[in-house]
Amino acid sequence: SQKIEQNSEALNIQEGKTATLTCNYTNYSPAYLQWYRQDPGRGPVFLLLIRENEKEKRKERLKVTFDTTLKQSLFHITASQPADSATYLCALVDTDKLIFGTGTRLQVFP
Amino acid sequence: EAGVAQSPRYKIIEKRQSVAFWCNPISGHATLYWYQQILGQGPKLLIQFQNNGVVDDSQLPKDRFSAERLKGVDSTLKIQPAKLEDSAVYLCASSSYREGKAFFGQGTRLTVV
Repeated sequence: SQKIEQNSEALNIQEGKTATLTCNYTNYSPAYLQWYRQDPGRGPVFLLLIRENEKEKRKERLKVTFDTTLKQSLFHITASQPADSATYLCALVDTDKLIFGTGTRLQVFP
Repeated sequence: EAGVAQSPRYKIIEKRQSVAFWCNPISGHATLYWYQQILGQGPKLLIQFQNNGVVDDSQLPKDRFSAERLKGVDSTLKIQPAKLEDSAVYLCASSSYREGKAFFGQGTRLTVV
């Protein structure tokens, strides 16, 4: 069956450290993958998109990698801040449909 | 640029009643999505429109859910009759091109009692 899996347990890290979130997919062959942030009571907000021919993408303190062999994307937040606390969702496009993963909640404490 | 508008923001209904949600996407966005998000889970795609046409509705429970997109702009999602398990946040999103980022509304929180 097709699955997009993210760490179901919350990730707790200390301010200033690098947070690394994982997205693994099964039985999809996406041409690109997206990451979103979702705060409580709000809709997801787009952060980054990475294409299958791109190994890595950066935007300010954010970095995304995409390994089509491992069928995995890693999302890094460097120098994390309490304001980065939120749920992070990966999403891929499969036959024109935008499909989301389960999400990982990140908590950054001072 | 105005964002995706959804209404109502909250709705409480009794089981077996009907309910409708409305979405106005960003102007010019051809693709419109409806997602169901149960607490603690990721958004689940219910239906995706490309202009007036349906791209996918494979996960829409068609015996009780229906959706339409009028003139390729606004969209409504209806549930009739509602069940307890329909309690969730219903998110609408739109995007301007195939690989483009999706813009989401704030969602409608539905509680079925």
